[in-house]
Formats: sequence, structure tokens, C-alpha cells
Amino acid sequence: QKEVEQNSGPLSVPEGAIASLNCTYSDRGSQSFFWYRQYSGKSPELIMFIYSNGDKEDGRFTAQLNKASQYVSLLIRDSQPSDSATYLCAVSIHKLSFGAGTTVTVRA
Amino acid sequence: DTAVSQTPKYLVTQMGNDKSIKCEQNLGHDTMYWYKQDSKKFLKIMFSYNNKELIINETVPNRFSPKSPDKAHLNLHINSLELGDSAVYFCASSQDMASGGEQFFGPGTRLTVL
Repeated sequence: QKEVEQNSGPLSVPEGAIASLNCTYSDRGSQSFFWYRQYSGKSPELIMFIYSNGDKEDGRFTAQLNKASQYVSLLIRDSQPSDSATYLCAVSIHKLSFGAGTTVTVRA
Repeated sequence: DTAVSQTPKYLVTQMGNDKSIKCEQNLGHDTMYWYKQDSKKFLKIMFSYNNKELIINETVPNRFSPKSPDKAHLNLHINSLELGDSAVYFCASSQDMASGGEQFFGPGTRLTVL
């Protein structure tokens, strides 16, 4: 079983819509959860982190965490073409473990 | 003012050669990392150093040897390069180990082994 699993996509959404990305993790002891964005040919950049159960909002981004279900998600509201990228879910316990990423394409 | 820099950006070499990648961060961070991202975009940690001390050494062939001369630098030397070593290698840093999830990545080094 992979440590961190994501739907690989690609996920295609129209401009202005909500993009919903899902991630599950295997280690119940995981404490910290992160979303990184990676544009094609570029390096990953941190966009959100969440440590407690519930929702955390930052601008158009909302991270959701449910430790009981070992599930973390990212919602992108009012999706823009500039949001087109691969989104990497990462989970930290003793090291940062990344999922394979979900590629999002926002159609203008 | 580049936070995490890597050199070279591209590296094309023949099988069997030895090559090095250099990384420097000017963020004053204590912890640095090397990651490998393969053609399927899967990002996997290779090594982690905290204040020049090796902390994480994943299952990586002995041909890969990291070296941290000081906490601002983490270099990666690869001996006897193989075709499977072709990938993008990212250096990253974090404030400390406790902040290990909040990492700043360098621009990457695309290594192609022919």
C-alpha cells in the first residue's frame, strides 16, 4: 500500500468552477498535511498546510482534513487558468511523503 | 535573490560517468533535502541533513553520496551513472526538522544519462 494516494487525473474543470482534489494516507500517526503545487517544468511550491481536523481556508483554497478517515482534500474555488498545474499531497511523520499528484487543467 | 539554488540546471552525460549537483540555500534554514522526481512525476526523498548531520538516508544505491560542508550547502555526487538515474533532482530546505513539511524547493537539475 502506498503511503499517500491521490487520483492521478487529469482533472479538467471549466473556468470559475470548483476543483476538488482528494488524498488518502496509510499511516495513522501522521500529524501534518500539505498541498504543493507544481507547474510543468517547475519546482513544487507549498500552497496549503493543515494540522487539525476540519477546514482551513486561504483565499480561493480550502484544505479539509479527516484523520479518522485518513483523508485530506483540497478545494479550489473560482478556478482560473493559472491554477492549471499538478497538485501534490504530502504527509509528514518522520519525513515528507508525497503522493503521485493530480494534474488539473482549467478550461477557459 | 534566489532562496534555494542548484547547479547545473541540466546535466547530460554518458553511462558510467561520475557527476555532482550542488545546492545552496540563503534562507538560514537548518535542514536540507534531496529528492528525485522520475518521469511519472513521483517525488521521492533521498536524503535529509540537519545542521550538516545526515538524518534521513532512504533506500538509495551507494553510488549516491551526499555531502554537506555547512548548513547552507548540500551537494550530491553520483558515481557510475546508470540509465535509471535519469530524472529531475530537487534540493529543498526547511527551517528545521520540526517544520519539515514546509519546504522550499530549488529549481531542479534535469539529469539525462545516455
